[in-house]
Amino acid sequence: DAGITQSPRHKVTETGTPVTLRCHQTENHRYMYWYRQDPGHGLRLIHYSYGVKDTDKGEVSDGYSVSRSKTEDFLLTLESATSSQTSVYFCAIAEGRSYLSEAFFGQGTRLTVV
Amino acid sequence: AQTVTQSQPEMSVQEAETVTLSCTYDTSENNYYLFWYKQPPSRQMILVIRQEAYKQQNATENRFSVNFQKAAKSFSLKISDSQLGDTAMYFCAFMKHNNAGNMLTFGGGTRLMVKP
Repeated sequence: DAGITQSPRHKVTETGTPVTLRCHQTENHRYMYWYRQDPGHGLRLIHYSYGVKDTDKGEVSDGYSVSRSKTEDFLLTLESATSSQTSVYFCAIAEGRSYLSEAFFGQGTRLTVV
Repeated sequence: AQTVTQSQPEMSVQEAETVTLSCTYDTSENNYYLFWYKQPPSRQMILVIRQEAYKQQNATENRFSVNFQKAAKSFSLKISDSQLGDTAMYFCAFMKHNNAGNMLTFGGGTRLMVKP
């Protein structure tokens, strides 16, 4: 299994509070992604990173920010959590050098905003 | 932008029988990859099978095979000899490679129940 760890695995937070989810990899892969999973929508890309300090927005980036200060860590921050951000969040990593590069997923974080 | 559609939210099949999950996609790209991922109740995302768009031959992995119709933009998954352990959510995904890496676009998923 690819070395990718998400923390925390579960979190309940109140509306309006900041929340940070962490993704840690031991594979030294260049690319890292944050997705959210919601019923009927599959997984949708929030933000991604293509290198240290290099990040960009995905399909559903409003209300989220990310940071990548070192290769192994990719942080997702909800500046002021809302109930619409209740979801399961997945981090993924990929070497990305070719079409053959498979994406590996973390175990997911279930976030509930009350 | 790419879109991926899975028109069957839920399906069921008897153990040992064959089931086919549908997936269609829309893209203007010519070179891309297609995937089927399995998500059991543990939430883990497991790659089941992948297909390169430039290959005409359909991919197979043991009991799993695909029917890739590039012109029709269709990518269905056939599971033969269904097993109880196949019960899971199945996601079809599209990937293209660019400077931002290998971003995946997912369909909404099909929940498959294998009945004993």
